[in-house]
Amino acid sequence: EVQLVESGGGLVQPGRSLRLSCTASGFTFGDYAMSWVRQAPGKGLEWVGFIRSKAYGGTTEYAASVKGRFTISRDDSKSIAYLQMNSLKTEDTAVYYCTRGVRDYDYWGQGTLVTVSS
Amino acid sequence: AIQLTQSPSSLSASVGDRVTITCRASQGISSALAWYQQKPGKAPKLLIYDASSLESGVPSRFSGSGSGTDFTLTISSLQPEDFATYYCQQFNSYPPSFGQGTKLEIK
Repeated sequence: EVQLVESGGGLVQPGRSLRLSCTASGFTFGDYAMSWVRQAPGKGLEWVGFIRSKAYGGTTEYAASVKGRFTISRDDSKSIAYLQMNSLKTEDTAVYYCTRGVRDYDYWGQGTLVTVSS
Repeated sequence: AIQLTQSPSSLSASVGDRVTITCRASQGISSALAWYQQKPGKAPKLLIYDASSLESGVPSRFSGSGSGTDFTLTISSLQPEDFATYYCQQFNSYPPSFGQGTKLEIK
């Protein structure tokens, strides 16, 4: 059974950093691109970025709203994807979902809430 | 960036009704469109990919159609568990984008 479990969310002050983890199981993690999607409270879905598999260079793409502040990485030996979030802003407050895929997203984690507030 | 506009934004319907949700893209996206269902407090669930392909395990009452700029999600006979919010998503070009959502409520 495919499972994605996010962790690392919480309350953080504006300007600070936070790292989210997405631990995968039930599939060959290294074969897949992994994406992050977020949802602000009461709002719709917003793509954050993704990381390609090593077979496709392991390169990353980001939404304009987070480019230069967020970094996605992966550790295929541990089946974990990371979202490093720096210089956080209040508008980054959202539930962050880890998803499998780069075109459509067939599996999602349960999400982890990040609240940016002073 | 490609904008996706869903209509209606909300919809009231009864069990057994046939329901259609529309997603319009600001420019052509071929068939690079997916549909998701989201229930309160839960992660989205993939229903349809490539505009009309039914994801494994999704009931056959869900169907998708369209290409280019106009797409539809149809639920042929609403069941109680179908009341949720539905999102379309395009992956034809970067950045991937989602529609604003359609909330389907019980009449």
